Amino acid sequence: DTEVTQTPKHLVMGMTNKKSLKCEQHMGHRAMYWYKQKAKKPPELMFVYSYEKLSINESVPSRFSPECPNSSLLNLHLHALQPEDSALYLCASSQATGLAGEETQYFGPGTRLLVL
Amino acid sequence: EDKVVQSPLSLVVHEGDTVTLNCSYEVTNFRSLLWYKQEKKAPTFLFMLTSSGIEKKSGRLSSILDKKELFSILNITATQTGDSAIYLCAAISGGGADGLTFGKGTHLIIQP
Repeated sequence: DTEVTQTPKHLVMGMTNKKSLKCEQHMGHRAMYWYKQKAKKPPELMFVYSYEKLSINESVPSRFSPECPNSSLLNLHLHALQPEDSALYLCASSQATGLAGEETQYFGPGTRLLVL
Repeated sequence: EDKVVQSPLSLVVHEGDTVTLNCSYEVTNFRSLLWYKQEKKAPTFLFMLTSSGIEKKSGRLSSILDKKELFSILNITATQTGDSAIYLCAAISGGGADGLTFGKGTHLIIQP
């Protein structure tokens, strides 16, 4: 089973709203990722959690706040977003063994976010 | 700065043709290269390549990595309309858990 689930599938929010994106995996992976993908562009890394600790933050604005409550769950809290933040937000997970060949990242279906 | 470059950026062929997609990379502490297929939603995993010269094969798709020349190719034979998608190449550097550096993708269109 290589399934990563994300909710909601679609989200429309105003610039003053607070919302959260959720991601879940049950593959025993200890690394989880948030990517942002704009139309006709490749995914761009936002955050990496390794063993429930934030290990990489790619200079993401503070209006995006990640949280990893446990090894299976990853949240992205959104507050005071701008229209240019509208994008597909992808969650991924992988093993974090550091062993070559075990780093495949499996992606969830994404949340399509529209900020009005 | 890590860089992954794919070519061509777009390609239109007829059903039954064979296509070769290219990916070159400049990545510090390179570990692996991955190929994904993206249709309307999330990228789906195709191949992970870690060792040079060993071809990975899955049905009509195959891929190989050249770590000396820093590139990889993805071949699709006997293409079908269902192969139409964006094919993304991504490199992993460092160790443990690191984000992927993606190329811009090749938008492949298979005409009937």
